[in-house]
This record gives sequence, structure tokens and C-alpha cells, in this order.
Amino acid sequence: EAGVAQSPRYKIIEKRQSVAFWCNPISGHATLYWYQQILGQGPKLLIQFQNNGVVDDSQLPKDRFSAERLKGVDSTLKIQPAKLEDSAVYLCASSGPGRGYEQYFGPGTRLTVT
Amino acid sequence: GEDVEQSLFLSVREGDSSVINCTYTDSSSTYLYWYKQEPGAGLQLLTYIFSNMDMKQDQRLTVLLNKKDKHLSLRIADTQTGDSAIYFCAEKLSTLTFGKGTMLLVSP
Repeated sequence: EAGVAQSPRYKIIEKRQSVAFWCNPISGHATLYWYQQILGQGPKLLIQFQNNGVVDDSQLPKDRFSAERLKGVDSTLKIQPAKLEDSAVYLCASSGPGRGYEQYFGPGTRLTVT
Repeated sequence: GEDVEQSLFLSVREGDSSVINCTYTDSSSTYLYWYKQEPGAGLQLLTYIFSNMDMKQDQRLTVLLNKKDKHLSLRIADTQTGDSAIYFCAEKLSTLTFGKGTMLLVSP
């Protein structure tokens, strides 16, 4: 079974530029999550989708971050404009019908804002 | 406290047992998880335990849960150099809340 795919793996941009990340979850997983992991910290949830609807975006900085999950499969996360403090690893995860609500993570996109 | 807390660093010798501890925040957490993160990689789910269980064993891994003290531990038997990584505990309420991670260093 293929895992969660993310691209790009690395991105370097200047502050005030825009950037987008892409995620393809595990086939059949209805729930998709985007996390931000700052160096030395655990992942922090940014947004959770159930199919193509938003379940929780309470920690998403909506003035600069946006996310969508068209057709309930792939998802994109966008930052516009980027700030220095957005430098982090952006992790996508998905979960399916397992009884433990287990989340499976992709390899992440490491963003550096200069 | 309001954070999931973990010790930051643990160093063991190959072949020893490792015990990584975690204190979580909410006694109503339904599931508790252990994830492993190797350098440059995403998080790998190791195991999880339902809140009505005290212990779960899965090959070299043993999870102990003390609900009264809100304490979770992960024991790795016969620790190998390939176990060197950062280990995160997480609790599930409506969403997952992660600790800051424990870096495990296994020396030969």
C-alpha cells in the first residue's frame, strides 16, 4: 500500500513570496491533516479535512495560510506572503477507518524562508 | 500543565532497554500514541493504546499507561542503533496533541 505522498521535499523562498505544498493521502483515507513542525517541537495541527470539508482550522493563520482539498483526495496548502517564522517542516497525514484513528504521515516539506 | 511533556534526551547502550516517559494533559484522552521520527523523515506510527488499557506489548515495544497519573511510557527491549531517533507521544482528544519529543541515542 502506497503511503502519504508530499511534494516538494524542500523549498527555499524569500520572505513575502508565495509557496504551495501538495499532498496525496493513502487511498481510501477520508481524513487529511496538515501539520507545522518547527525545529525542536512536535507537530502542530494547522487544518483537518473530512473528505472535502474542513473539520478544524482553528490554528491556521488565515491571513496568510490557505488550504483546499478538492474532490476529497489531494490537498494543497498555500502560504502567501511567507514570513521568516514560517520556516518549518510541513507534514501531511491521513487517517482511515481504523479503530485507533491512527494517522499516517508523509515525509514532509522542509520550507526555509530567507 | 497544558502541554504534553517528555524528557528531551535519553542515551543507552546497544542491547539495553530504553524507557521513554510522557505526561499527558487530559484524563479524557481516548487514545495515546507513540511515533518515531528519523532525521529528514516524517513520523512513523509505532503503536497506540486505548485509554481503558493498562499495557500493550508489540514485539520489542511495551506501552504502559497510568491513567491516574496521566503517565505514558514506551519501553524498547534490546535497543539497537537503528532505534536512534526522536520519539513523540501524542494524546487524542478532538485532535492529536504532540509532545516536543525525546531524542534517543543508542551507542554501540
